Amino acid sequence: DGGITQSPKYLFRKEGQNVTLSCEQNLNHDAMYWYRQDPGQGLRLIYYSQIVNDFQKGDIAEGYSVSREKKESFPLTVTSAQKNPTAFYLCASSIAENYGYTFGSGTRLTVV
Amino acid sequence: KNEVEQSPQNLTAQEGEFITINCSYSVGISALHWLQQHPGGGIVSLFMLSSGKKKHGRLIATINIQEKHSSLHITASHPRDSAVYICAVYGSSNTGKLIFGQGTTLQVKP
Repeated sequence: DGGITQSPKYLFRKEGQNVTLSCEQNLNHDAMYWYRQDPGQGLRLIYYSQIVNDFQKGDIAEGYSVSREKKESFPLTVTSAQKNPTAFYLCASSIAENYGYTFGSGTRLTVV
Repeated sequence: KNEVEQSPQNLTAQEGEFITINCSYSVGISALHWLQQHPGGGIVSLFMLSSGKKKHGRLIATINIQEKHSSLHITASHPRDSAVYICAVYGSSNTGKLIFGQGTTLQVKP
């Protein structure tokens, strides 16, 4: 079955360490997105990529980095520069032609 | 002011009640999504619509493009409907980015 896989589901890291969250899709979608969700708040866009080897900053890109070397994969690195990294991170992909959107199951990152 | 506003923010209902969640937006859109997020965090797309009305089981979604308003209705609500319901719009600028409402937390009591 096609879908988006995010791993791991839960992640714990020490303050000051970089951490990479995985997002893989087998839907053949061109566009992929990373969102952050904090308690009681709506989803906020971190980065997005509409084609391979190209990506754009979203609304809250500071302290994050991404790569898009393959169509299927869009990993997100939370760097030590991100001041408040503890949050729930959601990856999504879309196909522009029919506005369809698919979400992953999310990664809950806790920095201690 | 947020570009996508949902009301109410929180909703508690008794099992069997008819539920309505509203979404108003201030931007031009190509499509609107209603999403469901369960406590585990994963998000499921319930509906995507750009006009009229869609129905799936006990769920009904409507949109009025002229009034920039959409509603999600749940008939004969059940405790398993308890979740966060999120309205998100796909802007007409066609960048592919969704603009999200803040979500409506629904609790259905038995």
